[in-house]
Amino acid sequence: GAVVSQHPSRVICKSGTSVKIECRSLDFQATTMFWYRQFPKQSLMLMATSNEGSKATYEQGVEKDKFLINHASLTLSTLTVTSAHPEDSSFYICSARDPRRDMNTEAFFGQGTRLTVV
Amino acid sequence: DQQVKQNSPSLSVQEGRISILNCDYTNSMFDYFLWYKKYPAEGPTFLISISSIKDKNEDGRFTVFLNKSAKHLSLHIVPSQPGDSAVYFCAASATGNTPLVFGKGTRLSVIA
Repeated sequence: GAVVSQHPSRVICKSGTSVKIECRSLDFQATTMFWYRQFPKQSLMLMATSNEGSKATYEQGVEKDKFLINHASLTLSTLTVTSAHPEDSSFYICSARDPRRDMNTEAFFGQGTRLTVV
Repeated sequence: DQQVKQNSPSLSVQEGRISILNCDYTNSMFDYFLWYKKYPAEGPTFLISISSIKDKNEDGRFTVFLNKSAKHLSLHIVPSQPGDSAVYFCAASATGNTPLVFGKGTRLSVIA
């Protein structure tokens, strides 16, 4: 089946530094990927839709200058948390659908990245 | 305003019995519904889905029921096994490559 790989799975960084998270579709090309964030015991909240070759679409309340999304190729989207602060500590997850299948199908998720800002 | 609601944060079931997880939604544009299983520090894994043109979909021990008029769906697991213990998320989407909207999840504990 289709696989989405996310890296790193865990990162600890100092406050004020930037962290890049990669999301790759391993056996299909994804023109669109989605980035979610999950707080403890909460739902997965959509942050932004990453579009290959164009600007990402951010959800209301998500700072586009803080969470930089780049979708430079059909198999890779990156999320960069800039000038990270402790309140950015969270679990970040990406997803994508396999375009070879009907659009109305399940999305495949990466393994997630646990970000801790100290 | 939450468009997908899972009102039970947790559920405890004895091994071998049926687990029923419920989900309600408010957006009439949703036409595809999914259940995901999630372990801590991992991404969600797809379990089963149902299109709005159906009212039931079965896959082994897992059955999803959809009641469009009530905007309600449920996941039945029978018989429940200890390995089913996880957080289950209900998700919905509208037609096309639109993002999934998730409920808050229900933590299922299957007791041996």
